[in-house]
Amino acid sequence: KAGVTQTPRYLIKTRGQQVTLSCSPISGHRSVSWYQQTPGQGLQFLFEYFSETQRNKGNFPGRFSGRQFSNSRSEMNVSTLELGDSALYLCASSPRASGLTGELFFGEGSRLTVL
Amino acid sequence: QQPVQSPQAVILREGEDAVINCSSSKALYSVHWYRQKHGEAPVFLMILLKGGEQKGHDKISASFNEKKQQSSLYLTASQLSYSGTYFCGTDNYGQNFVFGPGTRLSVLP
Repeated sequence: KAGVTQTPRYLIKTRGQQVTLSCSPISGHRSVSWYQQTPGQGLQFLFEYFSETQRNKGNFPGRFSGRQFSNSRSEMNVSTLELGDSALYLCASSPRASGLTGELFFGEGSRLTVL
Repeated sequence: QQPVQSPQAVILREGEDAVINCSSSKALYSVHWYRQKHGEAPVFLMILLKGGEQKGHDKISASFNEKKQQSSLYLTASQLSYSGTYFCGTDNYGQNFVFGPGTRLSVLP
């Protein structure tokens, strides 16, 4: 069974640009959540989607947005990039209705560097 | 609000035991434990639901004290493969899911 796939794995952007990250969950998983990981802040919850609906949202500015498609694939977008957005962005899928109460299967992440 | 983990880091010799603690200021529905090795994705270890249950995974076990809003992860007879950063994640009845800052565990031969 294929794991969670995130693309791209690495990317470099400059301040002010926008970026879109993609996540393909494990087949059959309908819940997808996104996390930002930085050395100083650890793993911070961005948002969770289930059946194309955002179920929960973390404490991030509106520049961070996401969506989920009918095939459960998810994308997150960050607009007007800032230096502080440099981080590893992790996607996780879960077989449960709400990933927050079940096992999370993480992808290897997309490492974003903002110059 | 982010749960507190202690210690921040621990160094062990193979075969020694360790305890990692996780505490929250809010009522908890569940506590999750994950391990992340350097350069890899976090991997699920176990989830504990309210009720004070204790779970085990090989020589790694955990307890959850709902009243104290605390969980502890016990690593017995540690192996080199146990090295990594351990995160607890707390679920405040679906309102918010937050990971702790992590505890870095290093097991030396």
